[in-house]
Amino acid sequence: SQTIHQWPATLVQPVGSPLSLECTVEGTSNPNLYWYRQAAGRGLQLLFYSVGIGQISSEVPQNLSASRPQDRQFILSSKKLLLSDSGFYLCAWSRRSAGDTPLHFGNGTRLTVT
Amino acid sequence: DQQVKQNSPSLSVQEGRISILNCDYTNSMFDYFLWYKKYPAEGPTFLISISSIKDKNEDGRFTVFLNKSAKHLSLHIVPSQPGDSAVYFCAADSSGGSNYKLTFGKGTLLTVNP
Repeated sequence: SQTIHQWPATLVQPVGSPLSLECTVEGTSNPNLYWYRQAAGRGLQLLFYSVGIGQISSEVPQNLSASRPQDRQFILSSKKLLLSDSGFYLCAWSRRSAGDTPLHFGNGTRLTVT
Repeated sequence: DQQVKQNSPSLSVQEGRISILNCDYTNSMFDYFLWYKKYPAEGPTFLISISSIKDKNEDGRFTVFLNKSAKHLSLHIVPSQPGDSAVYFCAADSSGGSNYKLTFGKGTLLTVNP
């Protein structure tokens, strides 16, 4: 069966510090990978998605970047965090094929920028 | 502009009764809709979906209804159980389910009282 791992579960970082969140998927090949964020009082917002190694699409201009160095690894980064980067970050995967293949989410990282 | 709206931030229901969660959308290009359930400190888990070519989809205690003319969908849970207490997210996709760049609502907190 497929599993998705995301870490750390919680993170407190000062403003201006760098960020690196990692996500890995097991049990599947060539997945689509996604980073979502839920800010306080808001719905889930798509930040980045990737259909393959080195292929990243950004949905929202922001202080963050994403990379996919391996097929089942997706990394969210920032060089200098802002207060507005606080939120709940979720990694997700889906199968590449068309049809009824929903997103599967990890357990998320609660990021607090102080 | 919010394309997927869940206007009720919370709903409280008695155990054994029906829970009805509502969702409205504005984008006519959406052709695939999903409901996710989220417990605290966990990622959302897929619950049920419906294609725009259908008006109803049922899975056990969960039924999703789609009214395309009204751009409205609803999730019915019958009978409701205390374990159903969670945040429910409505989500929509415009690619027939093949490219999961989902647009999410803000969620509705369902509380099922014993």
